[in-house]
Amino acid sequence: DSGVTQTPKHLITATGQRVTLRCSPRSGDLSVYWYQQSLDQGLQFLIQYYNGEERAKGNILERFSAQQFPDLHSELNLSSLELGDSALYFCASSPSGGIRNTEAFFGQGTRLTVV
Amino acid sequence: GNSVTQMEGPVTLSEEAFLTINCTYTATGYPSLFWYVQYPGEGLQLLLKATKADDKGSNKGFEATYRKETTSFHLEKGSVQVSDSAVYFCALSDSFAAAGNKLTFGGGTRVLVKP
Repeated sequence: DSGVTQTPKHLITATGQRVTLRCSPRSGDLSVYWYQQSLDQGLQFLIQYYNGEERAKGNILERFSAQQFPDLHSELNLSSLELGDSALYFCASSPSGGIRNTEAFFGQGTRLTVV
Repeated sequence: GNSVTQMEGPVTLSEEAFLTINCTYTATGYPSLFWYVQYPGEGLQLLLKATKADDKGSNKGFEATYRKETTSFHLEKGSVQVSDSAVYFCALSDSFAAAGNKLTFGGGTRVLVKP
């Protein structure tokens, strides 16, 4: 158990809908990262928050947004869903803002299926 | 931009065989390099890491050496077990904080060890 909790584990929704994925980082970790794992794109970095503020942005679509709350949990909001958004979404956390010399701990992921 | 290339799988081995998974990278500066492992139905776990040239990361019988001259970080294990069956990801973290603190992943290599 990595200590990173993601809910829900599975989500099935229709095209055009909006969903929210939730992540609770390890106790004490200030950074939260979101990644998307799909068959065609592999593991792609979406966005990082550090202590409530956006720290780094990757290939995140405009239809997607995220935030980190004062208690450090994070939510990833996906809207106007398309079939191609079906993927495994991972959250990871680390103690600091950088991961060069620290480990990023990954949750078990939320599997999103858009039908 | 940064990129990681690793050999495509699946790699099928017999128990006690020698495993090598090739990984090469492209990055500016001096990235940190990681191997993550994903067991079926689970999130990613850090297997080992190296933060500077010629460093050797090792864990659970796996080893990888950071080779700056060949921009490589090949993963090796001398004698695999059935329990090593998983997907292995090579990844790098940029050396420049301003460029973000994301992990850039390779495409993953599925390893199947047969008894």
